[in-house]
Amino acid sequence: GAVVSQHPSWVICKSGTSVKIECRSLDFQATTMFWYRQFPKQSLMLMATSNEGSKATYEQGVEKDKFLINHASLTLSTLTVTSAHPEDSSFYICSASQRGETQYFGPGTRLLVL
Amino acid sequence: QKEVEQDPGPLSVPEGAIVSLNCTYSNSAFQYFMWYRQYSRKGPELLMYTYSSGNKEDGRFTAQVDKSSKYISLFIRDSQPSDSATYLCAIGTGGSQGNLIFGKGTKLSVKP
Repeated sequence: GAVVSQHPSWVICKSGTSVKIECRSLDFQATTMFWYRQFPKQSLMLMATSNEGSKATYEQGVEKDKFLINHASLTLSTLTVTSAHPEDSSFYICSASQRGETQYFGPGTRLLVL
Repeated sequence: QKEVEQDPGPLSVPEGAIVSLNCTYSNSAFQYFMWYRQYSRKGPELLMYTYSSGNKEDGRFTAQVDKSSKYISLFIRDSQPSDSATYLCAIGTGGSQGNLIFGKGTKLSVKP
């Protein structure tokens, strides 16, 4: 149980384009989903927290207009990186939590912006 | 002082060794303590989850929490090369959000 999937697993795009990453909880309903970014050899950095049906809460320094998060259902959240630039290249990982219990992570999406 | 401190290593041990990984934290309000394992280019995988002081054992893994010292540990017995990964401690205050604060992770290498 507690499986979280992400799609795509990796993406390469040109600078200026937008990229959408999906996060799905496959066998449980996730009241809260989290989006993290991880640069090489660094720990996870929380970007935002989203609850189903409400606006995401962004961490300080994370541009909400650049990283659009939608949590339309209890099993799906999406992160859209708008007008991506090379500095946005990173490993994006989502996690899902049910009623404040522990977080279960997706496999991550590697984004490379050329 | 950071909320969660974890020695990043790297830590290299021979196969079969006992591994000790540690984190310290500063906020006594933290109630939930977890250890995640992250293989290269993969998402973190939950290993252990506890919310009380003392030891919790699962196979070759033992999680230890000392709330009075604000210190948590993960022990790996009979370490295997497949245990080579980065181990992240994560600590939370609970509540409906379930936000966690992660340590930087310790990179472990088990040599055959």
